[in-house]
Amino acid sequence: DGGITQSPKYLFRKEGQNVTLSCEQNLNHDAMYWYRQDPGQGLRLIYYSQIVNDFQKGDIAEGYSVSREKKESFPLTVTSAQKNPTAFYLCASSIGRQGAGTQYFGPGTRLLVL
Amino acid sequence: QQQVKQSPQSLIVQKGGIPIINCAYENTAFDYFPWYQQFPGKGPALLIAIRPDVSEKKEGRFTISFNKSAKQFSLHIMDSQPGDSATYFCAARERGQNFVFGPGTRLSVLP
Repeated sequence: DGGITQSPKYLFRKEGQNVTLSCEQNLNHDAMYWYRQDPGQGLRLIYYSQIVNDFQKGDIAEGYSVSREKKESFPLTVTSAQKNPTAFYLCASSIGRQGAGTQYFGPGTRLLVL
Repeated sequence: QQQVKQSPQSLIVQKGGIPIINCAYENTAFDYFPWYQQFPGKGPALLIAIRPDVSEKKEGRFTISFNKSAKQFSLHIMDSQPGDSATYFCAARERGQNFVFGPGTRLSVLP
């Protein structure tokens, strides 16, 4: 089955802890994205990557970091610098580079702070 | 100018009704307008999309109406069913730029 997988489904973070959210796609898409979703708000772009070993900050990158070592994988690390990390995190990918194709989303990871 | 406004915030209709969700934008360079459907705890799924050279597009019970001069587009759901209860997002994209999403509309279809 082709698609985007995210893990874990739920993640708990303690104060001062870094946590990493996984995103994998087998769609052979070039571009991948991370969004944050808060209740009553639209999707806000955290980071995006158009090609392996390259990524750019989105609108709310502070407190987050990413890597793109493989085409299929785009993990997101929520660092201790992110003071309000509780949210639903969505990974997406698109066949073309920025602006060149529809985005398809993974099932999401809900991050909660203990 | 990069914002997409969406209304209403929430909507309740009876089964068989025709909910209408509206979006408006300012950036005339936007050239692609998708709608996404999201069920609780799930990722958004592409529902239907339109480009500004078309005024209407239908896919099954879902129709997008597009008014280029007014810079508005809307989603209509014909013969709505309780299974359509979800949050709907409109989005817009300028070529070479990232997508901009509306804040979402929570739709409830009563049996």
